[in-house]
Amino acid sequence: QQQVKQSPQSLIVQKGGISIINCAYENTAFDYFPWYQQFPGKGPALLIAIRPDVSEKKEGRFTISFNKSAKQFSLHIMDSQPGDSATYFCAASTTNFGNEKLTFGTGTRLTIIP
Amino acid sequence: DSGVTQTPKHLITATGQRVTLRCSPRSGDLSVYWYQQSLDQGLQFLIQYYNGEERAKGNILERFSAQQFPDLHSELNLSSLELGDSALYFCASSVEGTGDSPLHFGNGTRLTVT
Repeated sequence: QQQVKQSPQSLIVQKGGISIINCAYENTAFDYFPWYQQFPGKGPALLIAIRPDVSEKKEGRFTISFNKSAKQFSLHIMDSQPGDSATYFCAASTTNFGNEKLTFGTGTRLTIIP
Repeated sequence: DSGVTQTPKHLITATGQRVTLRCSPRSGDLSVYWYQQSLDQGLQFLIQYYNGEERAKGNILERFSAQQFPDLHSELNLSSLELGDSALYFCASSVEGTGDSPLHFGNGTRLTVT
């Protein structure tokens, strides 16, 4: 059972454009939603995270939008740059439990073209 | 650099064989996690250790086992290998084991079973 559904599987965006990756979850007990960024040959690294008490969190060009009622959250990358080309994973967990409950989406391969 | 070291980077072996993957966590991190990443499955949680003790099991096969040593490094043992075990295996560590503790991933071991 896939508890976090991520789309699209791959995304091509022109340099300077906005990249949008969407995730939906089923478990209403989830209360922590991180995004991980993975470059080729590297392990994933935490990019940004949000809790459901806020609807949006921004860090530089990266913004998470969160819709609790729809059980959806998304990553927006503004002014996308070639260096943003990577695979992005959304995830969800329940902070009352350990990281073993951290559930990852299947990933989005983002390519930024000049 | 995440501070998590995984060896070896690449491993090629034949079906039926046994291999050991090694992980040194980030200094100060007590929790170690093992993940399997394949093309169509995303990141699958295998097992977690906290300060030497097994804390949680995910989708880990009975042919696989792990341990965490007193110096906190961990090893993942894969035996009776099958073609389908070919994947990237990541180790991650965190300070605590709570659901909102950022995971710090190593660069992975790419296992190829021929």
